[in-house]
Amino acid sequence: EVLLLESGGSFVQPGGSLRLSCAASGFAFSSYAMSWVRQAPGKGLEWVSVISGSGRSIYYADSVRGRFTISRDNSKNTVHLQMNSLRAEDAAVYYCAKRGDGYNRPLEYWGQGTLVTVSS
Amino acid sequence: DIQLTQSPSFLSASVGDRVTITCRASQDIISFLAWYQQEPGKAPKLLIDAASTLQSGVPSRFSGSGSGTEFTLTISSLQPEDFATYYCQHLYTYPRTFGPGTKVDL
Repeated sequence: EVLLLESGGSFVQPGGSLRLSCAASGFAFSSYAMSWVRQAPGKGLEWVSVISGSGRSIYYADSVRGRFTISRDNSKNTVHLQMNSLRAEDAAVYYCAKRGDGYNRPLEYWGQGTLVTVSS
Repeated sequence: DIQLTQSPSFLSASVGDRVTITCRASQDIISFLAWYQQEPGKAPKLLIDAASTLQSGVPSRFSGSGSGTEFTLTISSLQPEDFATYYCQHLYTYPRTFGPGTKVDL
């Protein structure tokens, strides 16, 4: 069974930093790209970032590029999202998701999310 | 970046109704489109891949169609558990934008 468990969500002031983690199990972790998707309170889904299985290929949404860094540790089956220079508009539930096998594949499995609150 | 629009943004329906949601892309994405269902307070769930491929375990009352820039998600006979918000997402390139969502309510 595929399981994705996010952690690290917390309250932070604008300009602060936070590191989210996602622990994965139930599949060959290093073979799959992993993504982060966020959802602000009462709003729709926003794709944030993706990292390939090897970690060599990474993409970001324009809204977070230069402030967020995605990484993975295949020895620990974990993907991270380092978030710096946080803004009020970054407040959201952050979901970790496993992409299917291949570039044009959807997000097949999702974690339950971790809440990030940004406020002064 | 590829933009997606969905219509309607809100849909009021009854159990047993046939429901159709449309997703339009700002450029040709061939058939690289997915549909997700999100119930309140829960993570999204993948329903349909490649515009029309139903995921394992998803009821057959759900179907997807379309190619190019226009796609549809149809629920043939709405059930109580189908009242949720539905999102399309393109799978053509990165960034992988989502549509704004369609809330299906009673």
